[in-house]
Amino acid sequence: EDKVVQSPLSLVVHEGDTVTLNCSYEVTNFRSLLWYKQEKKAPTFLFMLTSSGIEKKSGRLSSILDKKELFSILNITATQTGDSAVYLCAVDLEEYGNKLVFGAGTILRVKS
Amino acid sequence: GAVVSQHPSWVICKSGTSVKIECRSLDFQATTMFWYRQFPKQSLMLMATSNEGSKATYEQGVEKDKFLINHASLTLSTLTVTSAHPEDSSFYICSAIRLAGGPPQETQYFGPGTRLLVL
Repeated sequence: EDKVVQSPLSLVVHEGDTVTLNCSYEVTNFRSLLWYKQEKKAPTFLFMLTSSGIEKKSGRLSSILDKKELFSILNITATQTGDSAVYLCAVDLEEYGNKLVFGAGTILRVKS
Repeated sequence: GAVVSQHPSWVICKSGTSVKIECRSLDFQATTMFWYRQFPKQSLMLMATSNEGSKATYEQGVEKDKFLINHASLTLSTLTVTSAHPEDSSFYICSAIRLAGGPPQETQYFGPGTRLLVL
């Protein structure tokens, strides 16, 4: 059974802190791993990772994939209250034509 | 960019009634749409894959007779929750595929979701 596991399930930090969110996976026919940010509505896309060791960066957010150890991390530096959200990791499975398997998500709360 | 809408955004209904949720791709044709359900503090769970002009493919554990999916056109898929009960209360999100086989961040677009509350 295809599985995506995220940790921690929830996290409370203070503004300015750096956080690292984890995502591990056990799937067949891996194609890519995606990170999404979900606030009150639908998820918004952050990153897509297909190759090991290549860091993707967008502002204070960055992410990297390790295909040998089957995990990815999402880093957020200098956190702000606007970063409070649920962060979802999903794996795109080649055999299912765009079907995404989501992890349970990490609830991040940034306190001012 | 590609836009996917859902209607209604909020619905409250009595137990035993049926509720229809629409998912529309506004500026592109979507051969495939996915329906997800998300319970509070949980992740998105795929319910079914809807292909235009054919029967939907349901994930294990999802009752096809309870969650009726119709994908009658390239821009519209509907999910009908039949005889809804309080345990069906959830956040339902659709996504639409703009170009089959392409990378998801360029091709899969999520709708804003529909909150269903069954009393």
